[in-house]
Amino acid sequence: DTEVTQTPKHLVMGMTNKKSLKCEQHMGHRAMYWYKQKAKKPPELMFVYSYEKLSINESVPSRFSPECPNSSLLNLHLHALQPEDSALYLCASSQDRHSGGAADTQYFGPGTRLTVL
Amino acid sequence: GENVEQHPSTLSVQEGDSAVIKCTYSDSASNYFPWYKQELGKRPQLIIDIRSNVGEKKDQRIAVTLNKTAKHFSLHITETQPEDSAVYFCAASKGDSNYQLIWGAGTKLIIKP
Repeated sequence: DTEVTQTPKHLVMGMTNKKSLKCEQHMGHRAMYWYKQKAKKPPELMFVYSYEKLSINESVPSRFSPECPNSSLLNLHLHALQPEDSALYLCASSQDRHSGGAADTQYFGPGTRLTVL
Repeated sequence: GENVEQHPSTLSVQEGDSAVIKCTYSDSASNYFPWYKQELGKRPQLIIDIRSNVGEKKDQRIAVTLNKTAKHFSLHITETQPEDSAVYFCAASKGDSNYQLIWGAGTKLIIKP
């Protein structure tokens, strides 16, 4: 299995709702990522988990809360979002060989298209 | 701060011709350079990547060249086909980070039949 899967594909939520995005990979990768992508822009890194520990938080507002229950799963919990948070949310994974300053290839999931009303 | 400049922003070529997209990076410690293709509404898909110890890499119709001295790298697509139409992003690793990439702004490639 060489895929990263994400659910749901589309999500519409109000500003007072709580929802979660889910990501799964079965490639044995030990690094998992959340990215946010606005239309016609490159992906923007939000969080990185390495070996199930939060390694990087790119100063993301606390209304986004990541969780890594195990090495195959990654969640993003959403609460009190703003309309400007509407975007494509991409999950990615990489091997994480800890090769000291050599980045591994990142493989992306299909994304969740989020609309905040 | 570190950045990656990508040109052109839009490239229109006749089917069967070649396409070249260029990127320039600023972080001299960058050592990994992937190229992603993203079709409308789809995920970014890795098409080729290169590491700093290699000057050129080829995979069928796609090639990437890296000039470390000038800090630029290029994507070459030969014999373009309609299915090559997409947005292409270049990226460079952020310093010695295992995880962080600095992304170019993207190039919209249009293949004219």
